[in-house]
Amino acid sequence: QGQLEESGGGVVQPGGSLRLSCEASGFAFSSYGIHWVRQAPDKGLDWVAYIRFDGSKKYYADFVKGRFTISRDNSKNTLFLQMNSLRAEDTAVYYCAKEVGGDAFDVWGQGTMVSV
Amino acid sequence: QSVLTQPPSVSAAPGQKVTISCSGSSSNIGGNYASWYQQLPGTAPKLLIYENNKRPSGIPDRFSGSKSGTSAILGITGLQTGDEADYYCGAWDSSLSGVVFGGGTKLTVL
Repeated sequence: QGQLEESGGGVVQPGGSLRLSCEASGFAFSSYGIHWVRQAPDKGLDWVAYIRFDGSKKYYADFVKGRFTISRDNSKNTLFLQMNSLRAEDTAVYYCAKEVGGDAFDVWGQGTMVSV
Repeated sequence: QSVLTQPPSVSAAPGQKVTISCSGSSSNIGGNYASWYQQLPGTAPKLLIYENNKRPSGIPDRFSGSKSGTSAILGITGLQTGDEADYYCGAWDSSLSGVVFGGGTKLTVL
């Protein structure tokens, strides 16, 4: 089924930038779309962004459009999320998640905390 | 305000059955697949149901999913104390071009 492991979280000032990484193992990374999902403290799940298996399509939630960029390096089995112009409301645990049929997520990372 | 609507909480006794509803619209559940996730405290969400009613390997058949029109339902039978968790529904939204989630339902096994 595979594993995902996020890294790159931390504390940043408002207006600052951060780059999250998500390293995949145990499955054919280059064959699957991957999503970023976040969860603010004691809140529900919010979808952030999606990238198609080959990087040809990207979708973003309205609240991150123009500020966040999703990308991937299939040669390194790694997904990225470049976050610019960070706001206090971006404070959350950020998860990467692998897609399965029907736009569901069958493999999740353990999450990385971003505090703005 | 979540796009998908779930009850904030449900409760039932051990061994009993519970259902959790998820109400959406034609642009999400009505026109796309619904999925369900279980999140235990301090852990990442876990997929329970995808494509409305399919269970990933390793998910017991005590968990079931169904969809009718613009609503989806998660059913859990033979409740156990270990089922106490937050449950989320999700679906692709064709109007928003993104995944939407419900606000989550906290299950208490009394």
